[in-house]
Amino acid sequence: EAQVTQNPRYLITVTGKKLTVTCSQNMNHEYMSWYRQDPGLGLRQIYYSMNVEVTDKGDVPEGYKVSRKEKRNFPLILESPSPNQTSLYFCASSLDGLAYEQFFGPGTRLTVL
Amino acid sequence: KQEVTQIPAALSVPEGENLVLNCSFTDSAIYNLQWFRQDPGKGLTSLLLIQSSQREQTSGRLNASLDKSSGRSTLYIAASQPGDSATYLCAVSFDSGGYQKVTFGIGTKLQVIP
Repeated sequence: EAQVTQNPRYLITVTGKKLTVTCSQNMNHEYMSWYRQDPGLGLRQIYYSMNVEVTDKGDVPEGYKVSRKEKRNFPLILESPSPNQTSLYFCASSLDGLAYEQFFGPGTRLTVL
Repeated sequence: KQEVTQIPAALSVPEGENLVLNCSFTDSAIYNLQWFRQDPGKGLTSLLLIQSSQREQTSGRLNASLDKSSGRSTLYIAASQPGDSATYLCAVSFDSGGYQKVTFGIGTKLQVIP
C-alpha cells in the first residue's frame, strides 16, 4: 500500500531533551515536507526537501533540523525542544515538488513539558 | 505574501443537501490548489488537485472549481452524507523567490446531520 508513515504517533517529552520524529514514504517520491498544525493558525511548513541531500526552510524552521540521506526517509529533529513546539506534526510527500499532489502521513502529536 | 481564507469556518447541514465551501487566495500566481479533508485526530486526505491552467476537477460527488484571476476556488459536495463530516482544507502552492511554497487555509468544519 502506497503510504507515508510517521513514528512515533504520540510523544510526551520534557524541555531540552533531543528527539527525532521519523517519516518514510514508499512511493519513490522526490519531494518531502514537514508541517506543524496549531489551532487558529492552520498548517505551516517547517522544512522541505526536493531531493536527496537537498533541503530548504519553510515558513517556521526555527528550532528544527532535517536531513535527507535517502529518498524514502526525511526525519525531523528537535535538538532542544521547548513548550512552544507542542503541536501536531505532519510529514508529506509528492512525486516531484508542489506541482504534484501531496500525500500526508497520519501525524505525530508532540507535547513538550 | 500569499494569504488563504476559507469561508465559512463551520457549516452544519442536513443530510442530502448540496453545499459549497469557499477558498480565496491573494496572489494569483500559483502552481495549483489542492483540497483536503481532515478527520478528527487523523491526517489529511487529498480530495482534488486543480492545476493553475485548469478550471475544475471532479471526483464522484465532489467538484472543485478554480478562478485564478479572482483568487477563488469552490468545493461543491453533492447529496451530502454524514460520512462527509470533517474539516475541509484548501492549500495553494506557488513560487516565492525561486522557492516552492505552500499556504493552507484554516479550514471549514462541516457537520452533516442525519
